[in-house]
Amino acid sequence: GAGVSQSPSNKVTEKGKDVELRCDPISGHTALYWYRQSLGQGLEFLIYFQGNSAPDKSGLPSDRFSAERTGGSVSTLTIQRTQQEDSAVYLCASSPGQPETQYFGPGTRLLVL
Amino acid sequence: GQSLEQPSEVTAVEGAIVQINCTYQTSGFYGLSWYQQHDGGAPTFLSYNGLDGLEETGRFSSFLSRSDSYGYLLLQELQMKDSASYFCAVGNTGGFKTIFGAGTRLFVKA
Repeated sequence: GAGVSQSPSNKVTEKGKDVELRCDPISGHTALYWYRQSLGQGLEFLIYFQGNSAPDKSGLPSDRFSAERTGGSVSTLTIQRTQQEDSAVYLCASSPGQPETQYFGPGTRLLVL
Repeated sequence: GQSLEQPSEVTAVEGAIVQINCTYQTSGFYGLSWYQQHDGGAPTFLSYNGLDGLEETGRFSSFLSRSDSYGYLLLQELQMKDSASYFCAVGNTGGFKTIFGAGTRLFVKA
């Protein structure tokens, strides 16, 4: 079946602009996660959604970052007033319920000029 | 809080065995997972340990000791294609939040 998909694959924006990143999880997966990865670094947890529970937003670095998940499926990560330090690869993952096995999308490479 | 430590780089020769260690500090430990990531690619799941002991999946094995807050990934019969970054990750019983280590870059030489 189809894996996790993300769009756009690449995004170049100017400092101060807002961006929206999209994630389509694997069908039937109840949990969805967002991570950020800077070049050569590990994965930084941002947020996760699990079923109808309130999302865990504890990893969002500032109030410029927000995310929503509509209908328990597609998720959008929004970064407002982008800064150069926001430049990174944003990875989305989903899991069928257990967090220990996550399936990752190809990521969105964001460059803020 | 939660933190993980793993070596930044490991080099080994083709056909050899290599062990990548991971020590962790976390509250409400749930389990230890391992992921592989090739340059420019997405992380892919390799192995998971929820209980102490060894889990074997083909050439890859993973070990966990909860009392020592320690685990490792063992790669046997190394191949050039195993050159990649390897991440350990821990979850906790409080929810689905997953913390990843900084990654170990494995270089396999001919």
